[in-house]
Amino acid sequence: GENVEQHPSTLSVQEGDSAVIKCTYSDSASNYFPWYKQELGKRPQLIIDIRSNVGEKKDQRIAVTLNKTAKHFSLHITETQPEDSAVYFCAASRQGEWGFQKLVFGTGTRLLVSP
Amino acid sequence: GAVVSQHPSRVICKSGTSVKIECRSLDFQATTMFWYRQFPKQSLMLMATSNEGSKATYEQGVEKDKFLINHASLTLSTLTVTSAHPEDSSFYICSARRPIAGISSYEQYFGPGTRLTVT
Repeated sequence: GENVEQHPSTLSVQEGDSAVIKCTYSDSASNYFPWYKQELGKRPQLIIDIRSNVGEKKDQRIAVTLNKTAKHFSLHITETQPEDSAVYFCAASRQGEWGFQKLVFGTGTRLLVSP
Repeated sequence: GAVVSQHPSRVICKSGTSVKIECRSLDFQATTMFWYRQFPKQSLMLMATSNEGSKATYEQGVEKDKFLINHASLTLSTLTVTSAHPEDSSFYICSARRPIAGISSYEQYFGPGTRLTVT
């Protein structure tokens, strides 16, 4: 089955700096890669996702890149702000007309943005 | 994003009693919902996949007789923790899968979670 590894487990940056979180996956058939942000005691929120037919997707200060050959994908946050502080989870699954495999989550990255 | 609600947000119960948690998709129909458990500072652990109109699929190591799941409609799934014990205390989060129009793909949205404390 799919296995997702996520690094680093914790990341501290200064406000305004960039933050990069990396994930690797094992199943070459996986084609859907979402990222979730979870603030303390709250629900995970979908912040961006990418499908395997593209290599990069951007939404304002957030971007995700995908390298299918190397089987890794990354979350990039530019101009970080204190409100970006949270735990970020990557996930991977396979989807198609036949259905949807369950999401396999990484172990999470605790991002702390200091003012 | 899509809206998924969960009720109650917090519950405290005595050991040996049962607790029911409801998960609703408010603005879309969800043929598939998921139930997760999350311990402090840990990742999401999938407990079971709930399919409307059929039996839930449980992950390895999850007792189906202890964690009863019912997905009776396209907008409601329930998780009942039976004969709860202190070790069942945790943060339970449901999630619903929403199809994306025009492509064979889905997005998954989470409920706000239920913090269960068993005394």
